[in-house]
Amino acid sequence: DQQVKQNSPSLSVQEGRISILNCDYTNSMFDYFLWYKKYPAEGPTFLISISSIKDKNEDGRFTVFLNKSAKHLSLHIVPSQPGDSAVYFCAASGGTGNQFYFGTGTSLTVIP
Amino acid sequence: DTGVSQDPRHKITKRGQNVTFRCDPISEHNRLYWYRQTLGQGPEFLTYFQNEAQLEKSRLLSDRFSAERPKGSFSTLEIQRTEQGDSAMYLCASSLSGGEKAFFGQGTRLTVV
Repeated sequence: DQQVKQNSPSLSVQEGRISILNCDYTNSMFDYFLWYKKYPAEGPTFLISISSIKDKNEDGRFTVFLNKSAKHLSLHIVPSQPGDSAVYFCAASGGTGNQFYFGTGTSLTVIP
Repeated sequence: DTGVSQDPRHKITKRGQNVTFRCDPISEHNRLYWYRQTLGQGPEFLTYFQNEAQLEKSRLLSDRFSAERPKGSFSTLEIQRTEQGDSAMYLCASSLSGGEKAFFGQGTRLTVV
């Protein structure tokens, strides 16, 4: 039962343009959402997070938007840079457990 | 830097052998997690410690898997009688109690041949 879903396995964007990565979740008890970036053969690196009491959080080129009614969040990267090329995982926590639930990832390629 | 450290980074073992991995969390973090990741999938939760207490285990954690965190600091994950299906990246993460962010180590890549 996949409680966090990333339906786009891959995304290609031109350098300088906006990258939009999407994530959907099913569990309304989730109250905290995170984005991680992962390079091959490395562990995930924390990127940005958002609490369910907010609908937007911004950190430099990265902005996460949360739409609780749609159970949807997105990560915007503006402007995209070649170094942003990696796999991005959406994760969620909250409810009765203590674990983080991850999506299957979206591989972002930023074309120079 | 005192990030999450995992050892070894890579392990190749023959089917049927036992393996043990170590994780050293960020020193002030009292929560420690083990995850497993296979190709094309996101990290899957295995188990979680609050200090030395193992508070949650996934159904993925069969009887061949055991994890410990004896003094509430480092943790070990042991897999007995390894099978080819155990081949994966094993990830350790830590966080503060009540903190929302978990920080991951570099992972241990296990290959069972």
